[in-house]
Amino acid sequence: DVKVTQSSRYLVKRTGEKVFLECVQDMDHENMFWYRQDPGLGLRLIYFSYDVKMKEKGDIPEGYSVSREKKERFSLILESASTNQTSMYLCASSYDLYTDTQYFGPGTRLTVL
Amino acid sequence: KQEVTQIPAALSVPEGENLVLNCSFTDSAIYNLQWFRQDPGKGLTSLLLIQSSQREQTSGRLNASLDKSSGRSTLYIAASQPGDSATYLCAQGGGQGNLIFGKGTKLSVKP
Repeated sequence: DVKVTQSSRYLVKRTGEKVFLECVQDMDHENMFWYRQDPGLGLRLIYFSYDVKMKEKGDIPEGYSVSREKKERFSLILESASTNQTSMYLCASSYDLYTDTQYFGPGTRLTVL
Repeated sequence: KQEVTQIPAALSVPEGENLVLNCSFTDSAIYNLQWFRQDPGKGLTSLLLIQSSQREQTSGRLNASLDKSSGRSTLYIAASQPGDSATYLCAQGGGQGNLIFGKGTKLSVKP
């Protein structure tokens, strides 16, 4: 079974802090994704990566950056957390961008105070 | 702008009913259409993926169809059970390899 794990289920941070969200997949997938999910807005893509050290902006990249130094690990970085970044963050991975489903992690509920 | 719409936003049915969830999309040049299930506070679980060249996919009591010409997909759940209660999300596979999600239909199956 594909397993996608995220470093924390719940996280509370203060405004202005630098925040790292980590995601690891164990299936040698090429592609990894970061989404945020908000009530009434649904899931929105922040960034995705189709190879090590490669990244593409999604729909809402502002205020975020990403890092993919190893194939299995994809990090989301909030350089200076703000209250409007309070959200559920979901990581996903897939083998093929166009023919394969995405496998999701359990999510990280981030609260920025 | 590509959009995916799911109607209704919420649905409550008695156990044992057959039901249909609807999804519409604006971009006919889709690569695939996917259905996911999400339990409260959890991640998404993939249910069915329909490639653009296919018309439907089946898994157990679930059947999903795709009609690109009308921009619609349906998820049919047979003989619903309380364990089917969850939010169901459809997502369109776009040209960049990204997924565009609808806002979901929250299903409640009453015993």
